[in-house]
Amino acid sequence: DTAVSQTPKYLVTQMGNDKSIKCEQNLGHDTMYWYKQDSKKFLKIMFSYNNKELIINETVPNRFSPKSPDKAHLNLHINSLELGDSAVYFCASSLTGRPNYGYTFGSGTRLTVV
Amino acid sequence: ELKVEQNPLFLSMQEGKNYTIYCNYSTTSDRLYWYRQDPGKSLESLFVLLSNGAVKQEGRLMASLDTKARLSTLHITAAVHDLSATYFCAVDPPTSGTYKYIFGTGTRLKVLA
Repeated sequence: DTAVSQTPKYLVTQMGNDKSIKCEQNLGHDTMYWYKQDSKKFLKIMFSYNNKELIINETVPNRFSPKSPDKAHLNLHINSLELGDSAVYFCASSLTGRPNYGYTFGSGTRLTVV
Repeated sequence: ELKVEQNPLFLSMQEGKNYTIYCNYSTTSDRLYWYRQDPGKSLESLFVLLSNGAVKQEGRLMASLDTKARLSTLHITAAVHDLSATYFCAVDPPTSGTYKYIFGTGTRLKVLA
């Protein structure tokens, strides 16, 4: 059983389009995250949700809008895609009060904007 | 703002050799994590270090945490080709409530046969 699953795995789209990435976890975790990994492998947090509530919203363009319909799901919608949005986007989840578990990451979505 | 630095950024080593990857961070924290990432793959949890002096070992890898020095090390013993990957440390700032890991820059390890 996949613990944190993301769809799609690959996404190629043209500049200006709108696209969504979906994430689901079946671990019973209460916190979910979006991280962006750029071409140099650097990982930067974008958003964090705890029990469907937005906790962390880093300096991300407002073209990026996360949505968490429930604790097990976190989606990322991106409007008016730009070339610089090309990256790998990772979803992750964790359980509050259990730092010994760490984060569990999804397999990533490789977004290419052409 | 918390900064996490790793060195070296790139490491090419011969099989059988030993080496250490360093992770320095700028703000007090006693929660540090090591992850491994293979090319095109997700991040796999390696070690969870939650106190000063914590040491964890798994196979040829050993991680330690010195919270006073704000330093963690990942030591590789008798490297084998299968250890080739990118290794990340991540620090959980004390005020974040585990809502925001800050990742290091990553160390790309290549073990040569």
